Amino acid sequence: DAGVTQSPTHLIKTRGQHVTLRCSPISGHKSVSWYQQVLGQGPQFIFQYYEKEERGRGNFPDRFSARQFPNYSSELNVNALLLGDSALYLCASRRTPTVLAFFGQGTRLTVV
Amino acid sequence: GEDVEQSLFLSVREGDSSVINCTYTDSSSTYLYWYKQEPGAGLQLLTYIFSNMDMKQDQRLTVLLNKKDKHLSLRIADTQTGDSAIYFCAESIGGTSYGKLTFGQGTILTVHP
Repeated sequence: DAGVTQSPTHLIKTRGQHVTLRCSPISGHKSVSWYQQVLGQGPQFIFQYYEKEERGRGNFPDRFSARQFPNYSSELNVNALLLGDSALYLCASRRTPTVLAFFGQGTRLTVV
Repeated sequence: GEDVEQSLFLSVREGDSSVINCTYTDSSSTYLYWYKQEPGAGLQLLTYIFSNMDMKQDQRLTVLLNKKDKHLSLRIADTQTGDSAIYFCAESIGGTSYGKLTFGQGTILTVHP
């Protein structure tokens, strides 16, 4: 079975641009969460989706949005990028929201 | 409130045991996790413990949980240079938090030959 896959692995964007990050969960997993990891810190919770509905939102501005598709894959969108959005964005896959969480390799976003 | 704290650095000699400590504050935690992160990589789930357990052993890894003191530790026996990485503890909170993970800031483990 494939693990959690995220794309792209790296990207560079300019301030003010928009970015879309993608995540495919492990087969059979219906819950996807997004985390932001700034260099030198632990991951911070952004969103959780389960069965295509938002089930939790962290303390992030409205520039951050996400959705989950019928096949349980997910997109994270960030508008009006700021330099401070530069981070590793991690996707976590779970069968249901409260059980073991498995992470992808992340997308490294650099905003210049 | 939710807060997870870890010591920032640990340095050990190859073959010794490593003990990484973590404290958490939310008594409604359901799972407590240990993740490993190597440079430039994502998070690898190392082990976990249910909040109603005291200890879990998995090969070289031993997790101890003291619920009264809200203290979690990870012991790595016979530490190898390949164990050098950042280790994160995380708590998963049920109820209305719906399994949200709260992470510590990570402990950088350096293993010397």
